[in-house]
Amino acid sequence: AQSVTQLGSHVSVSEGALVLLRCNYSSSVPPYLFWYVQYPNQGLQLLLKYTSAATLVKGINGFEAEFKKSETSFHLTKPSAHMSDAAEYFCAVSDMNRDDKIIFGKGTRLHILP
Amino acid sequence: DTAVSQTPKYLVTQMGNDKSIKCEQNLGHDTMYWYKQDSKKFLKIMFSYNNKELIINETVPNRFSPKSPDKAHLNLHINSLELGDSAVYFCASSQGSGTGYQETQYFGPGTRLLVL
Repeated sequence: AQSVTQLGSHVSVSEGALVLLRCNYSSSVPPYLFWYVQYPNQGLQLLLKYTSAATLVKGINGFEAEFKKSETSFHLTKPSAHMSDAAEYFCAVSDMNRDDKIIFGKGTRLHILP
Repeated sequence: DTAVSQTPKYLVTQMGNDKSIKCEQNLGHDTMYWYKQDSKKFLKIMFSYNNKELIINETVPNRFSPKSPDKAHLNLHINSLELGDSAVYFCASSQGSGTGYQETQYFGPGTRLLVL
């Protein structure tokens, strides 16, 4: 069975600063990994996903994430934060066992300071 | 134009009542899901359907019954509502097998249920 841990339920960064949201996973087989974003009062929207191709995955809105097998991590980064990035971010994992489902982390609320 | 739509957006009701939430997707996807997001933002899958067939059925009270009249619709009926059912319920859809193991899921805007 797989699981995902997001370190830090709240992260604050200044506008223009680097964004780093941490995600560690546990999976007995090679994982598929996702980052979703949820803006206030909206549903989730896919930012990016890793499905065993390139380990550095580029997503929408300037976000990217790197799959590091040795660290079992899939941290989300953005070089320069924008006020519009304030939202809840969810890391999710599934594995290549087609009978298993996607598991979401508990989310990290990103605050952007002016 | 909306890809995944849910109705109603807000639902306030008394304990013990029966209510339904409707979901429709116009993306032509084969699979639809229901998720529950609690007050701490924890998101947990409840059900998934693939071409009207139940694929995922998590440990959910049997007061919750999904119904899929066709692959574009997945409704959620809740009997005998309890205070703990208060949450945001999200519908989603994707292509693929029904487990969502690698597909991008497209989420609806959510239904905010408050049980008094």
